[in-house]
Amino acid sequence: AAGVIQSPRHLIKEKRETATLKCYPIPRHDTVYWYQQGPGQDPQFLISFYEKMQSDKGSIPDRFSAQQFSDYHSELNMSSLELGDSALYFCASSPNGSYNEQFFGPGTRLTVL
Amino acid sequence: KQEVTQIPAALSVPEGENLVLNCSFTDSAIYNLQWFRQDPGKGLTSLLLIQSSQREQTSGRLNASLDKSSGRSTLYIAASQPGDSATYLCAGAYNTDKLIFGTGTRLQVFP
Repeated sequence: AAGVIQSPRHLIKEKRETATLKCYPIPRHDTVYWYQQGPGQDPQFLISFYEKMQSDKGSIPDRFSAQQFSDYHSELNMSSLELGDSALYFCASSPNGSYNEQFFGPGTRLTVL
Repeated sequence: KQEVTQIPAALSVPEGENLVLNCSFTDSAIYNLQWFRQDPGKGLTSLLLIQSSQREQTSGRLNASLDKSSGRSTLYIAASQPGDSATYLCAGAYNTDKLIFGTGTRLQVFP
């Protein structure tokens, strides 16, 4: 069965650089979520989209932005990277909006040097 | 504030034991609760989803229960195997469908 695809899987950036993470949801899933998991921590919700509109926003820094495109894939744009942004970034997708099972991608490991 | 906690933080058991992982949530107005497995440095694998109207869900050797009134969910693993070694996370969805995660239980099953 098709799963959530994230790219790249690993990314190394310098401080103050920018990064773009991509997420391709499971086919026919119209809702995408982004989570950040720091070392030794539980995942924290960043932002979500339903039918290409932002549906909820969590503890996402102003330096980060995201969008969902017409083919339902989503991109998380991160600017002015800081050392503390080093984390695993997960994308999840679910069908038909709210309260359905969320399926997670393998994550993008971002390292900021 | 909606919080999800898990105990124990770590658990080490011999192969073959039946075990219970606990998850507690502060807000009983939960819409659903999802259990995940995470291997070190890897992604989250969904194990079971329990809607607020349900009491339990089963998948193979796994059984998860939900008691909204007491703010608790348990994940029961029968006949544990070394391959079950991982971190198990529970996560609740409230009035928005973002998931609030617990801190996880790190399970080690030794032969």
